[in-house]
Amino acid sequence: NAGVMQNPRHLVRRRGQEARLRCSPMKGHSHVYWYRQLPEEGLKFMVYLQKENIIDESGMPKERFSAEFPKEGPSILRIQQVVRGDSAAYFCASSPWTSGNRNEQFFGPGTRLTVL
Amino acid sequence: EDKVVQSPLSLVVHEGDTVTLNCSYEVTNFRSLLWYKQEKKAPTFLFMLTSSGIEKKSGRLSSILDKKELFSILNITATQTGDSAVYLCAVSNNAGNMLTFGGGTRLMVKP
Repeated sequence: NAGVMQNPRHLVRRRGQEARLRCSPMKGHSHVYWYRQLPEEGLKFMVYLQKENIIDESGMPKERFSAEFPKEGPSILRIQQVVRGDSAAYFCASSPWTSGNRNEQFFGPGTRLTVL
Repeated sequence: EDKVVQSPLSLVVHEGDTVTLNCSYEVTNFRSLLWYKQEKKAPTFLFMLTSSGIEKKSGRLSSILDKKELFSILNITATQTGDSAVYLCAVSNNAGNMLTFGGGTRLMVKP
């Protein structure tokens, strides 16, 4: 059973370009979460999605950032017109369901975004 | 706003030592507390705790939760160099499924 997969692992963009980060959850998991880890800081929640639905985007910057989890295919975190402050590690996590206490989240290896 | 504070920030021990990592939290409608180990990449799930006083154990690692005093500890006995990592504590609440993370404790185990 493959774990959470993210690609690319490393992404370099120049200011003003777009960054697309992909996440495939673990098999059987239908809940996806995106977190951002700035250098020397802790993980911060960005957005929580189920298939075709954004459930909670309270941690997502209002501009330039968007996320989706289509019926088919991976979840995508999209950052438009990147700025240097977007440089961070972006982690995706998935969980099987959230009823009761089964809400363990399993993390992917992350995408390290560097904005030049 | 939910809050998680971990201590110490960093710790250096020698192989064979026992360490205790602390996590205190403030959360509305607590649901669960989770511990992760982060080396250079993905946080690796260690434990999820939902009930007070019940110790969870996995090999040399163990953890317990005190919901009255709002804290958890992670113990590592007979430490090895492979235990060197950042240990993250996170909480979830019933309002949603996001995890609120602490800043982590950086553990270094010297041979």
